[in-house]
Amino acid sequence: AQSVSQHNHHVILSEAASLELGCNYSYGGTVNLFWYVQYPGQHLQLLLKYFSGDPLVKGIKGFEAEFIKSKFSFNLRKPSVQWSDTAEYFCAVNAGLTGGGNKLTFGTGTQLKVEL
Amino acid sequence: DTGVSQDPRHKITKRGQNVTFRCDPISEHNRLYWYRQTLGQGPEFLTYFQNEAQLEKSRLLSDRFSAERPKGSFSTLEIQRTEQGDSAMYLCASSPTGETQYFGPGTRLLVL
Repeated sequence: AQSVSQHNHHVILSEAASLELGCNYSYGGTVNLFWYVQYPGQHLQLLLKYFSGDPLVKGIKGFEAEFIKSKFSFNLRKPSVQWSDTAEYFCAVNAGLTGGGNKLTFGTGTQLKVEL
Repeated sequence: DTGVSQDPRHKITKRGQNVTFRCDPISEHNRLYWYRQTLGQGPEFLTYFQNEAQLEKSRLLSDRFSAERPKGSFSTLEIQRTEQGDSAMYLCASSPTGETQYFGPGTRLLVL
């Protein structure tokens, strides 16, 4: 069974600080990896995804994530956060199988608050 | 707006009542997923459809829960004899291939 761990449940940063949110997964096969973001009062939105290829993937709004297969990790980074990045961030994984159900397994989320 | 839509957005019901939620996926997405999210947790998979066929159900989906997607377009999720533990956000997602899923705004259920 797949599982996802997000170690930081609450993070508070000042504007312009750098961000790194940890995500580790447990699964024995090929995986697809995702970061979703939920801004206050809004629905889950896809931030970025990794299927294969370059392990450093870039998403929207200046976010990037690095897949490190040996560490089963997919950490999210942003060099300089903005107040508007205040949101809850979810790491998710599904089996990298074509034709499969591809249900997502989510971590518990990290609540990021960016202070002015 | 051509995203996933869900109706209603909020539902308050009394314990023991039945409730039904609707999800309209993005047009031509043949895969549709239901998830449940409780406070402080990430979404948890409930069930998924490929076209009209329900292909997988989670153990979380007790026999009080039923989902349908009769014509391979919209889907309904019904909860019979609701319990307070059913209070949660019910999320729907759709996907063209299953790899990337796009989520709706959710239906927040409160069982009194």
